[in-house]
Amino acid sequence: GAVVSQHPSWVICKSGTSVKIECRSLDFQATTMFWYRQFPKQSLMLMATSNEGSKATYEQGVEKDKFLINHASLTLSTLTVTSAHPEDSSFYICSALTLTQEGAQYFGPGTRLLVL
Amino acid sequence: AQSVTQPDIHITVSEGASLELRCNYSYGATPYLFWYVQSPGQGLQLLLKYFSGDTLVQGIKGFEAEFKRSQSSFNLRKPSVHWSDAAEYFCAVGDGGATNKLIFGTGTLLAVQP
Repeated sequence: GAVVSQHPSWVICKSGTSVKIECRSLDFQATTMFWYRQFPKQSLMLMATSNEGSKATYEQGVEKDKFLINHASLTLSTLTVTSAHPEDSSFYICSALTLTQEGAQYFGPGTRLLVL
Repeated sequence: AQSVTQPDIHITVSEGASLELRCNYSYGATPYLFWYVQSPGQGLQLLLKYFSGDTLVQGIKGFEAEFKRSQSSFNLRKPSVHWSDAAEYFCAVGDGGATNKLIFGTGTLLAVQP
């Protein structure tokens, strides 16, 4: 149980284009999902908290107009990197919060984004 | 503010040897504590968690961790390491209620020698 998927697993795009990453909880409902960014050999940095049916809450320093988050259902959250630039290249990981396990987050496998 | 410290950036152990990964936290109330493992290019897998109760927590893959309030520690242990345990290990602390956010340590990279 508590499986989270991400799609795509990797993406290469040209500078200036937008990229959408999907995060799905496959066998449970998640009212809250989180989006992280991880640089090589570093820890995870929380970008934003996504709540179903409401606006996402962004961490300080994260541009909400650049990283659009939509949590349209209890099993799906999407992150859109708008007008991507090479510095946006990174490993993006989502997680979903289970209500039955007291705050345990279950993570997706990640999406590697390379902007050329 | 909450914080997590993993003092060891990199650890190498021999296969079959015991393992202890250190984690210290800073949190004003009773913390929610987690250990996650990340294999190269993968997301994070939850190994175990502590919320309350018994301070020795059993997890998956033969791992355990002990919560020591007096030392603000939550060290991860395994009695006999397997080559497949080579990965990066992250300790995290959460507030469990207010925002459910997790604060991660910087990680410990475990290498296993044959």
